[in-house]
This record gives sequence, C-alpha cells and structure tokens, in this order.
Amino acid sequence: DAGVIQSPRHEVTEMGQEVTLRCKPISGHDYLFWYRQTMMRGLELLIYFNNNVPIDDSGMPEDRFSAKMPNASFSTLKIQPSEPRDSAVYFCASSRLAGGLYNEQFFGPGTRLTVL
Amino acid sequence: EDQVTQSPEALRLQEGESSSLNCSYTVSGLRGLFWYRQDPGKGPEFLFTLYSAGEEKEKERLKATLTKKESFLHITAPKPEDSATYLCLVGAGSYQLTFGKGTKLSVIP
Repeated sequence: DAGVIQSPRHEVTEMGQEVTLRCKPISGHDYLFWYRQTMMRGLELLIYFNNNVPIDDSGMPEDRFSAKMPNASFSTLKIQPSEPRDSAVYFCASSRLAGGLYNEQFFGPGTRLTVL
Repeated sequence: EDQVTQSPEALRLQEGESSSLNCSYTVSGLRGLFWYRQDPGKGPEFLFTLYSAGEEKEKERLKATLTKKESFLHITAPKPEDSATYLCLVGAGSYQLTFGKGTKLSVIP
C-alpha cells in the first residue's frame, strides 16, 4: 500500500488567499484525521471523520477552516481566507475501524504551509 | 481538561547509554495510549499501543509500559539511528485525542 498521500507537500501563499490541502487515506481505513503541528502548540487534532462523516470538529480554530470528505478515498482541508498565523505543517492520518477510534493511526508526510 | 505532559523535552545520550522517556496524563477514562516516532520533515510513525495499566510492549531496543498515571518508553543501548522526536498520544473519554509535545532524543556516537 502507498500509505497516506498528501498534496501539496509545500504551499506558500499570501495572506487572504484560499488554500486547499488534500489527503488520500489508506484503502480500507474508516477514520480520517486532520492535525496541525507548530513549534509552540505541538500536534493538535483539528477534525476527524468516520465513514466520510465529520464526527468532531471542535479542534477547528475558526470558521475560516473547513474540511470535507466526499468519498472514502479523498478529503480536503480548506482555509479561506488564510492568515500568517495559519503557517504550520498539516498532517492527515487514517486508521481502521477495528478497535474503533482508539486504533493506531497512520500519518501522511504532511503539507508545510507558509502564509506570507 | 485533558492534559498530556512529556518529559524531558530534550535528551542527549551516548550510544549504548540506556534511559527512559516519560508521558504523564490527566484524563477521564483512558481508552488508549500510543507512542510515535517522528523524524525531521516526516509524519509520525506508529510504535506501540497500550490500553490498560500493567501492559507492556517491546520492539527491538524499545519497551513501553503503562500505569494509571503515566507511560514510560525505555530505550536500551540506543544507537544513533534512534535519534528522533518521540510523541505520546492519549485517547480518552468521548473521542478525545491529545498529543504530548514530545521528547527530542539525540544519540551521540
């Protein structure tokens, strides 16, 4: 299996622009997670999906952030409008249904976002 | 509020010098504790899952243990390739997942 795939790997944009991050989970996995990592705050869970349905988005920092999962093999995280404080590495992770939410997660390589 | 604290923040070891990393947690209803390794520029890589106090898991030079308040990651005779940041993830209560900030381990040849 190719593992969790994220694109782009790097994104540089200007404040106010829309940013879309993409994720393809491992085939057969039922949970998908979006995380953000910064030096100050470490890794933070933003939102997670179960069977393509958003379950908990309490970690999404503001209304500027939105996430969708239109099918089992694709998810997007969108920031509109972007701000310099959104600069971070964004990770997508997926896990199998067996064991439920508390099963090991497999992470993608991340997208490094820089907002100027 | 759920809290997960890892210590130390950074650790330098000589090759072969064994040590332990700590992950202490204050949560309601532990559902699982996970250890991950993260290399620079990469996503976290899964190491272990522990579900109940007293449980232990081993893999090569690493051994993870769990009590009701904390978990230890013991590293025996580390090698330079063990250098990485080690992260603890705690799952608790109703779908709460909290990462610690990690311990950056450097193993010097």
